[in-house]
Amino acid sequence: AQSVTQLGSHVSVSEGALVLLRCNYSSSVPPYLFWYVQYPNQGLQLLLKYTSAATLVKGINGFEAEFKKSETSFHLTKPSAHMSDAAEYFCAVSVQGAQKLVFGQGTRLTINP
Amino acid sequence: DGGITQSPKYLFRKEGQNVTLSCEQNLNHDAMYWYRQDPGQGLRLIYYSQIVNDFQKGDIAEGYSVSREKKESFPLTVTSAQKNPTAFYLCASSIIAGALTDTQYFGPGTRLTVL
Repeated sequence: AQSVTQLGSHVSVSEGALVLLRCNYSSSVPPYLFWYVQYPNQGLQLLLKYTSAATLVKGINGFEAEFKKSETSFHLTKPSAHMSDAAEYFCAVSVQGAQKLVFGQGTRLTINP
Repeated sequence: DGGITQSPKYLFRKEGQNVTLSCEQNLNHDAMYWYRQDPGQGLRLIYYSQIVNDFQKGDIAEGYSVSREKKESFPLTVTSAQKNPTAFYLCASSIIAGALTDTQYFGPGTRLTVL
């Protein structure tokens, strides 16, 4: 079964510091992977997605993620954190044959001034 | 503006009552989804629909029901059989049903509280 695991339910960084949110996937077939962001009491917004075209994927708001097959990872990074990045981030995998996304448990990102 | 609307934003229900959450999209998307979000558990799929008049159970369908009479509408009913309905409910849609790389677009959510 395809699944994702997000390491760390809560990450805290200082403003201007590197943001690294970890996501590992489990899949017996090539996965399609997504990162979504959720601001408090709102729906989810797509940050970026991996569809096998390129291993380094650039998204909105300065975020990017690199697909590493050897490590079964799709970690999300941003070189310099901004206060507006404070939100919850979800990694998800598209499940073949089931027409659905399976989400990780989420990582809450806090930015310290 | 195109998008997904959910209403109401907040909903309070007494135990034993059924309640219906609205989801409407004007994106002309074929597929629509309902998710439940609980703290620390991510999103879990309740039901999804790939086409009008057809829908499938997701991972946690017990105590919920849906209908898809129109392409743009996918209401969710939380029945009294749902033992722990207090949660944040999110509706989503995507262009083509079954496309693995297709982005799902989410509504703003409805927070349901059972009193």
